[in-house]
Amino acid sequence: RKEVEQDPGPFNVPEGATVAFNCTYSNSASQSFFWYRQDCRKEPKLLMSVYSSGNEDGRFTAQLNRASQYISLLIRDSKLSDSATYLCVVRDSSYKLIFGSGTRLLVRP
Amino acid sequence: EPEVTQTPSHQVTQMGQEVILRCVPISNHLYFYWYRQILGQKVEFLVSFYNNEISEKSEIFDDQFSVERPDGSNFTLKIRSTKLEDSAMYFCASSGRGAEPGELFFGEGSRLTVL
Repeated sequence: RKEVEQDPGPFNVPEGATVAFNCTYSNSASQSFFWYRQDCRKEPKLLMSVYSSGNEDGRFTAQLNRASQYISLLIRDSKLSDSATYLCVVRDSSYKLIFGSGTRLLVRP
Repeated sequence: EPEVTQTPSHQVTQMGQEVILRCVPISNHLYFYWYRQILGQKVEFLVSFYNNEISEKSEIFDDQFSVERPDGSNFTLKIRSTKLEDSAMYFCASSGRGAEPGELFFGEGSRLTVL
């Protein structure tokens, strides 16, 4: 089983759509959880941390279910500029980040 | 805004040659990392460095790889004898001024092409 597994993608949605990404992780001892965004051939950039109570940042909502080892990201009112690869990332007990393979999102006009 | 800087942005080398990738982490950060991403694949952890020594390394980080912090500002990754499969984007990251690493800040990456 992969350490961090994500939706296969790619997701191709119209502007204004709501899109959801899912992620599961295998290590129950994982400490922290994040969504990163990566544009083509660029470095990963932190989009948001994910907390057990769920958290929201503008159009982005992240949820964590520790019992199911499941993380989600919801993007509302998609913009063209949201087109990117979204990386589910888990920090393990030694503080290193473990990345999922990413889900590619393409928002079309 | 402080940032992690990496050089070179792109290096092309022949198989078997030594390569040094350089990184200047954010000032006062204490934790340093190298990750790599082969084209089309996921970002993979290589090594973490804290208190002037390696704190953890992955299976990828074999004897051909080494890291140094030679002068208190640079953090380098050396590949002694490059192989074709070392072709990838190498990302440096730094974090943390306290007891725990906190958020990682990534550099823009160094693209290595081994011919």
